[in-house]
Amino acid sequence: EDQVTQSPEALRLQEGESSSLNCSYTVSGLRGLFWYRQDPGKGPEFLFTLYSAGEEKEKERLKATLTKKESFLHITAPKPEDSATYLCAVQGEWITGGTSYGKLTFGQGTILTVHP
Amino acid sequence: NAGVTQTPKFQVLKTGQSMTLQCAQDMNHNSMYWYRQDPGMGLRLIYYSASEGTTDKGEVPNGYNVSRLNKREFSLRLESAAPSQTSVYFCASETTFTYEQYFGPGTRLTVT
Repeated sequence: EDQVTQSPEALRLQEGESSSLNCSYTVSGLRGLFWYRQDPGKGPEFLFTLYSAGEEKEKERLKATLTKKESFLHITAPKPEDSATYLCAVQGEWITGGTSYGKLTFGQGTILTVHP
Repeated sequence: NAGVTQTPKFQVLKTGQSMTLQCAQDMNHNSMYWYRQDPGMGLRLIYYSASEGTTDKGEVPNGYNVSRLNKREFSLRLESAAPSQTSVYFCASETTFTYEQYFGPGTRLTVT
């Protein structure tokens, strides 16, 4: 069974204080590892996809990295507007009825609060 | 492009009532999904549709039915609502080769 564990559950930072969020995973047949941002009362917003170990992607103050067992979301010099819940998910491949499907398994999320 | 849209945004039902949650996407994606999100449980897959005319059960399908009406629309039906179905429901559609899922704004459902 695919599993995703995110840590910490909550993280409080001062504006400008860089840090990292962790996502540990086990998956059968990794199609991709995904990071999402979710603001209160809204749907998850897609940030990054990583497909293989060693891959890195950047967007503004965020940088995602991937190894065979975990992914990190590095936040450099965060601002209050970066406050949100960050979700990690893996998509494994499973076969049912002779057909191959992707299956997305989410972690519980990390609640990030950045204080001015 | 509106992306993924969902209606209604909020709904209150009494136990035993039925309702249909609507979802539509304008990104020409083949695959669409329904999830529920509960505190402490994360997002869990209810049903999945790989293409128009096909649907499959996810992790928590009991008490739900779905219809893939056409390529754009994927609806979720609760035939006899129960308090355990109080949740926030999200619809998503997925790109074909990169597997990125894009979510709608959600429907907040309360069953009393």
